Amino acid sequence: DQQVKQNSPSLSVQEGRISILNCDYTNSMFDYFLWYKKYPAEGPTFLISISSIKDKNEDGRFTVFLNKSAKHLSLHIVPSQPGDSAVYFCAASGSNFGNEKLTFGTGTRLTIIP
Amino acid sequence: DAGVTQSPTHLIKTRGQQVTLRCSPKSGHDTVSWYQQALGQGPQFIFQYYEEEERQRGNFPDRFSGHQFPNYSSELNVNALLLGDSALYLCASSLGPGQYEQYFGPGTRLTVT
Repeated sequence: DQQVKQNSPSLSVQEGRISILNCDYTNSMFDYFLWYKKYPAEGPTFLISISSIKDKNEDGRFTVFLNKSAKHLSLHIVPSQPGDSAVYFCAASGSNFGNEKLTFGTGTRLTIIP
Repeated sequence: DAGVTQSPTHLIKTRGQQVTLRCSPKSGHDTVSWYQQALGQGPQFIFQYYEEEERQRGNFPDRFSGHQFPNYSSELNVNALLLGDSALYLCASSLGPGQYEQYFGPGTRLTVT
């Protein structure tokens, strides 16, 4: 049972444009959401997170939006740069025992076209 | 400030053998979690260690076991290896078991032949 879903396996975006990566979840006990970026032969790198009490969090070029009623979050990267080309994983966690682990989606491969 | 380190980088084992993977957490972190990432999938939670005890566990068989040492470093042991155990094994550390933000090491690529 896939509790965190990233339905787009890949995405190509022109350099300088906006990249939008999407993520859906099914477990209503999740209350914290994270985005990780992964380059080949490296571990996932933490990018940005959002608590369920917020609907938006911004950090430089990266903004995460959370729509709790739709159980949907998205990551916006503006402007997109060639170094952003990587696999992006959405992850979710809960504060209650048993849900404190990170549950990951299957990832979206983002390619920025120069 | 040293990040999460893992050893070895790569490992090739034969079916039925046993393997031990090692992890040193980021400086100041006391909680270690282990994940398995199969090809084309997201990381899957194996278990988490805090205060030298297994705090919670994912859907992995008892062949997967671990240990945490007083210096917070950790080991992942897998017995009776199967071909399906071939994956990237990731270690992540955090500042306490309730901290959501986990920092990952580069992983150990295990190949079972």
